[in-house]
Amino acid sequence: KNQVEQSPQSLIILEGKNCTLQCNYTVSPFSNLRWYKQDTGRGPVSLTIMTFSENTKSNGRYTATLDADTKQSSLHITASQLSDSASYICVVRGGGGGNKLTFGTGTQLKVEL
Amino acid sequence: DAGITQSPRHKVTETGTPVTLRCHQTENHRYMYWYRQDPGHGLRLIHYSYGVKDTDKGEVSDGYSVSRSKTEDFLLTLESATSSQTSVYFCAISANSGAGVNEQFFGPGTRLTVL
Repeated sequence: KNQVEQSPQSLIILEGKNCTLQCNYTVSPFSNLRWYKQDTGRGPVSLTIMTFSENTKSNGRYTATLDADTKQSSLHITASQLSDSASYICVVRGGGGGNKLTFGTGTQLKVEL
Repeated sequence: DAGITQSPRHKVTETGTPVTLRCHQTENHRYMYWYRQDPGHGLRLIHYSYGVKDTDKGEVSDGYSVSRSKTEDFLLTLESATSSQTSVYFCAISANSGAGVNEQFFGPGTRLTVL
């Protein structure tokens, strides 16, 4: 069964600190992996999309890594801001073709003063 | 929000009543999706459409039907709402992200409560 597991479930950090969110997946065959940010009461918004051949991709203070051999990804947030408080969702495309996506349950991040 | 609107944004209804949620897009995208989001679950696909009058089931389609009579509108109907259908519903479209990869863009969501 295709699965995406994220850790931790929730995280509280102080403003200005860094943090790393983890994503492990069992989706096969693999096409790409996405990280979304979802603010409370809003729809998810894409941060990065990584294909099989990409190991690292950055989007401002967000850096995603992908190890397709171990089927792991991480999202590193540098110098966190209050506006980073959100749920971060890992999504993997694959597992049978078409546009089928498997969603993780998300990591709830809270950035405090 | 990729030109996606959902209506209503909030709705409270009673068990057994029919409910229709609307997704409207302004950019002529071919693929449209309906998801539900519940605590402890990732987003789960209900139905999707790959063109006018072309729809297919997702992983949690029981109790739901969809229709797409125009490119811009994708309707989700709960034929007889149950409390288990209390959820937040998201519409999405699929579009090229500019890097040769199709990406899904989500609407703002509809919070549905079935009493």
